[in-house]
Amino acid sequence: AQSVSQHNHHVILSEAASLELGCNYSYGGTVNLFWYVQYPGQHLQLLLKYFSGDPLVKGIKGFEAEFIKSKFSFNLRKPSVQWSDTAEYFCAVNAYSGGGADGLTFGKGTHLIIQP
Amino acid sequence: SQTIHQWPATLVQPVGSPLSLECTVEGTSNPNLYWYRQAAGRGLQLLFYSVGIGQISSEVPQNLSASRPQDRQFILSSKKLLLSDSGFYLCAWSADLYGYTFGSGTRLTVV
Repeated sequence: AQSVSQHNHHVILSEAASLELGCNYSYGGTVNLFWYVQYPGQHLQLLLKYFSGDPLVKGIKGFEAEFIKSKFSFNLRKPSVQWSDTAEYFCAVNAYSGGGADGLTFGKGTHLIIQP
Repeated sequence: SQTIHQWPATLVQPVGSPLSLECTVEGTSNPNLYWYRQAAGRGLQLLFYSVGIGQISSEVPQNLSASRPQDRQFILSSKKLLLSDSGFYLCAWSADLYGYTFGSGTRLTVV
């Protein structure tokens, strides 16, 4: 079974700082990778996803992530954060197994606080 | 377009009482349906998934059960709630491995 590890549970940054949130997964086969964001009081929203092709994927709101297969990593980055980026961020993986409908495995989340 | 409805948004229930949370999907047929729980400090955990009517797979043994009486309806239930059942419950649907849409969630507090 796959697992996902997010390195930082709480991150506090100032506006305009650069952001990198770490995510590592454990699974030996083919995976789809996702980053979701949950703003206070709102639904989980998809930030970006990787299935195949260019390992550097760009998502909404200026976020990007790089899939490094050799490191089993899918770190989320943003060059300059804004106060509105304050939210909970979840890395998730979906492995190709069985019938393929097994759902997502999530990391425990990173609570990001941006200080004005 | 496809939408997912989940209710209620907030629920406070006493220990030992029953639970029924409902999730319905519109605008698609034969979706894969999922129940997740987000407990404080523990991230999102997959509880159940269903690939069709009456087909339920459980990921974690627990005090909860799920049912899918109709193609686009997914119900999470408990006969007797425990304090440890408190958390944020999310329903989701997917047509394939590539995209998941989440409901707005139910905040359950067992007192």
